[in-house]
Amino acid sequence: NAGVMQNPRHLVRRRGQEARLRCSPMKGHSHVYWYRQLPEEGLKFMVYLQKENIIDESGMPKERFSAEFPKEGPSILRIQQVVRGDSAAYFCASSRTGGGSTDTQYFGPGTRLTVL
Amino acid sequence: DQQVKQNSPSLSVQEGRISILNCDYTNSMFDYFLWYKKYPAEGPTFLISISSIKDKNEDGRFTVFLNKSAKHLSLHIVPSQPGDSAVYFCASAAGYALNFGKGTSLLVTP
Repeated sequence: NAGVMQNPRHLVRRRGQEARLRCSPMKGHSHVYWYRQLPEEGLKFMVYLQKENIIDESGMPKERFSAEFPKEGPSILRIQQVVRGDSAAYFCASSRTGGGSTDTQYFGPGTRLTVL
Repeated sequence: DQQVKQNSPSLSVQEGRISILNCDYTNSMFDYFLWYKKYPAEGPTFLISISSIKDKNEDGRFTVFLNKSAKHLSLHIVPSQPGDSAVYFCASAAGYALNFGKGTSLLVTP
């Protein structure tokens, strides 16, 4: 009964490179959420996706960030032209149905992105 | 604009005693509250939740209390164990996105 899987666990990029973070939800879950945690901060909501659809990306920076959840395969969070301020822990969560107030979100171990 | 606030960054409790972690929120539209526990280099683990229609929810050693008029909730851990040492995040929901506090680091000493 695998939980939410994220890879890589650690990612180092130089400024200007691209970062691709992957998330496989729990079995039976079709709703995926991405959160970012900056040092000494709580987790901040970024984007909510269902299969092939972005439902809410209100927490995503307008530029350089994108997310997808294709019909087949994991959800991908992509950060283009990374800057030092992108260094953070990125967590993916999944739920069986949508709704933070109706269904528990289960989190993966996170990807720690370091931008040099 | 921090909608969920955990004003105590850290808490130290002796093993066997009660741990009380506090959380305040500002948005009265929040209708669901959760506590997550997080160990270093791991993701948050769901602990316990409470709906706004209740004022208490209990699960083993963990109890969450909700005071809607004060916009305040608390997590009680009784008895505290060394394995409970972790960062505890309070989160609220009004819809699907969770709003997290900054966390309280709990240390349970033998």
